[in-house]
Amino acid sequence: DTGVSQDPRHKITKRGQNVTFRCDPISEHNRLYWYRQTLGQGPEFLTYFQNEAQLEKSRLLSDRFSAERPKGSFSTLEIQRTEQGDSAMYLCASSLLNFILESDRRTTDTQYFGPGTRLTVL
Amino acid sequence: GENVEQHPSTLSVQEGDSAVIKCTYSDSASNYFPWYKQELGKGPQLIIDIRSNVGEKKDQRIAVTLNKTAKHFSLHITETQPEDSAVYFCAASPMDTGRRALTFGSGTRLQVQP
Repeated sequence: DTGVSQDPRHKITKRGQNVTFRCDPISEHNRLYWYRQTLGQGPEFLTYFQNEAQLEKSRLLSDRFSAERPKGSFSTLEIQRTEQGDSAMYLCASSLLNFILESDRRTTDTQYFGPGTRLTVL
Repeated sequence: GENVEQHPSTLSVQEGDSAVIKCTYSDSASNYFPWYKQELGKGPQLIIDIRSNVGEKKDQRIAVTLNKTAKHFSLHITETQPEDSAVYFCAASPMDTGRRALTFGSGTRLQVQP
């Protein structure tokens, strides 16, 4: 399977515990994104990486959240001191930056999503 | 920031009928509009996307139209089949401004009755 993979698929934890999720992007994709999706809503952007650099962070990403992509391949998302409000599906997506035409520098950056990690905080 | 509104929230059609889902966006800098299909327990799957330099794009039974002036775009599914039943999300992004986040609508649950 050459799609985006995420591990674990499900995580149940008690309030106050730390959790870490892993995302493996599509091979050679240089961009990796994290989103959060609560029941009945669309995904909400958290952060994204280009190679190993974290280039954008949402205000949703509180100081209890940290994301890394140390070698520009897989990424981890850690939530410290989990709260019940953190219960959600955490989605990872990857993309390959391509310029459509060098002359006008338009880009294509199609994001492909993984299956998600469903977090339940008791 | 960008705000994307999506309607309807639920849509039920008979097999073989057409389905239309509409979205509006607020940020005039947005120029990339993908549509995703999400089945229960799975991540969103890209089904079609459009950039702001074109007004319409088709892929077999699926088409997307974009009206930049009115800031709205629509997904059209023809000859619906039971396997089209899922939640559909529209999204928008200012792809060329350096910002890469997709802003999603709240989703449309499509049910195709056999």
